[in-house]
Amino acid sequence: DQQVKQNSPSLSVQEGRISILNCDYTNSMFDYFLWYKKYPAEGPTFLISISSIKDKNEDGRFTVFLNKSAKHLSLHIVPSQPGDSAVYFCAARTQGGSEKLVFGKGTKLTVNP
Amino acid sequence: NAGVTQTPKFQVLKTGQSMTLQCAQDMNHNSMYWYRQDPGMGLRLIYYSASEGTTDKGEVPNGYNVSRLNKREFSLRLESAAPSQTSVYFCASRPLTVPRNTEAFFGQGTRLTVV
Repeated sequence: DQQVKQNSPSLSVQEGRISILNCDYTNSMFDYFLWYKKYPAEGPTFLISISSIKDKNEDGRFTVFLNKSAKHLSLHIVPSQPGDSAVYFCAARTQGGSEKLVFGKGTKLTVNP
Repeated sequence: NAGVTQTPKFQVLKTGQSMTLQCAQDMNHNSMYWYRQDPGMGLRLIYYSASEGTTDKGEVPNGYNVSRLNKREFSLRLESAAPSQTSVYFCASRPLTVPRNTEAFFGQGTRLTVV
């Protein structure tokens, strides 16, 4: 049973436009959410995170939105750049001291020049 | 600053062979993780260690064992490799903070092929 779901395996956008990557979760005990970016043949690198007490967190071109009632989060990249082309993973951590980090299947973003 | 170091980077095994994937971090992190990445499956947690001396199963622990040798090192062992274990393996570590909202840092990965 997948607790973190990224239902779009791929997304293609034009350079300069907005990229929106979506993530849904089923476990209401998740209290911290992260986005990772992964290039081929490299390890994932942390991008941005959000605590469940917030509904938005912004870092430069990247903004994460959290809708707890819908158990949904999204990552917005504005403006998109060709260097943003990568696989993006959504991850979540359970409250209560668990150190488990659960990841989604990822969305491959392609930004076309 | 090396971060999380995994060895080896590539390995080919024959079915039934055993091997140990090594992972070391120099960031004094408490938690360490082993994930595998397969096409279309994302990153799946094999085992994790919340602190030195403790290990717990993740989503896909069958066929693997782990050892948290000390605070720095967390190894993953395949006792009898199977083709289904062909994958890219990632080790990660995460600090203990208050509040406990921190990211995990990943190694570069080990690409394992079992033939």
